[in-house]
This record gives sequence, structure tokens and C-alpha cells, in this order.
Amino acid sequence: GAVVSQHPSWVICKSGTSVKIECRSLDFQATTMFWYRQFPKQSLMLMATSNEGSKATYEQGVEKDKFLINHASLTLSTLTVTSAHPEDSSFYICSAIRRSETQYFGPGTRLLVL
Amino acid sequence: DAKTTQPTSMDCAEGRAANLPCNHSTISGNEYVYWYRQIHSQGPQYIIHGLKNNETNEMASLIITEDRKSSTLILPHATLRDTAVYYCIVRDPQGAQKLVFGQGTRLTINP
Repeated sequence: GAVVSQHPSWVICKSGTSVKIECRSLDFQATTMFWYRQFPKQSLMLMATSNEGSKATYEQGVEKDKFLINHASLTLSTLTVTSAHPEDSSFYICSAIRRSETQYFGPGTRLLVL
Repeated sequence: DAKTTQPTSMDCAEGRAANLPCNHSTISGNEYVYWYRQIHSQGPQYIIHGLKNNETNEMASLIITEDRKSSTLILPHATLRDTAVYYCIVRDPQGAQKLVFGQGTRLTINP
């Protein structure tokens, strides 16, 4: 299957700082990428849809000014958690679509805000 | 996209076939059935998808009923590494691109 990577795999930061997470499609071009968040013992919740060269579309209840998404190329999307707080601690997962059909997921980034 | 219903949890003995059911009674004609699984602390892994015909790949088989209102994912010879949460999702590839995850089925493979 297609390969999607994320970096870093885990990060610990202080409250009030910003954290950037990268998502790359390694062996295919992805015009659309997605960002999900998963809290312990819960299912994945879609945060936003990232389209190459245009603004991201955020799901209801997700603050666009707090979770900045940039999709500058067909293989890279970034999620920046600005002014992170302990309640932002979560497992962040990206995915990318290949050929408008199958969505492939990255391994996830675990964020802990102290 | 149509909603799916899956059992909360299932157990299966190692080496036996694991059959995971999914109900999607409101599925529309253009919607495909997708299966993903998530092993603890990892991103979801694509398993298989289908429209109306049964599908098989190196990981699993997907059996879709003739009326398309339900399907079954079959892991033919389950191993301990198949322990995971399995998600059944229906989606129209030509519609919204996003996947909506339910709670899935927590499958435990026992030695």
C-alpha cells in the first residue's frame, strides 16, 4: 500500500508554545490530505481537510486559528498547534488520498503539552 | 455518507477465521464499503474495500450481501498481530473525500 509518514512521532512541549507536525506522502502525490485527532479510548475525529494550494476546510468546532494547516505541495501538509495547552494533548493522525479512492494514514504523532 | 453499525467487541482463537460483521442498511448505490484497522497507538491501516462484488486480497476477504445492506470482513487465519480495532466505513468516492469513523469493533485474538 501507499506510504504516508509523519514527523515527529511524539513531542512534549510547554504550555503556550507552538508545535508543527509534518505529514508526507512518500510514494504518491496527494491533492487532498486530512488531519484527525484521537483522544484515549475514543475513535478518530476529523479536524480538517487540506487541499494543495488552497485553504483548509475545518470541521465544526475546530478552531482554524489554533490549528493552522498548510498544504504547500502535493506531498506535504503541516499542522501547527498554536499556543498549545494541556487539553490539546492527543494523538494526531494525518491521511492522504490517492486517486480519489483509497485513503492512507500516517503512523500518528503523540502530543503531550505540559 | 451512510452510517454503519458494528459489534463493540469480538474474540477469536488464533489460527481460526475471524468474521467481523457490519450493517449499513442506508447505503446508497454509489457508496463503497471500506475496512480499516487500528492497532494500538498506530495510525489506521487500510485493509480492503468493495462496491457490490466480493473482494479478496492478501490481508482479508470482504463479503457484501446482495442487497448491500451488510458486509462481513473475514481474516482467514487470525494471528495475535490481528488484535486491533476494526472500522467499517461507507463512502462515495465521488462525493466528500473524508472518512467518518464510528467506534469500530475491538477484535481480540486469543492464543
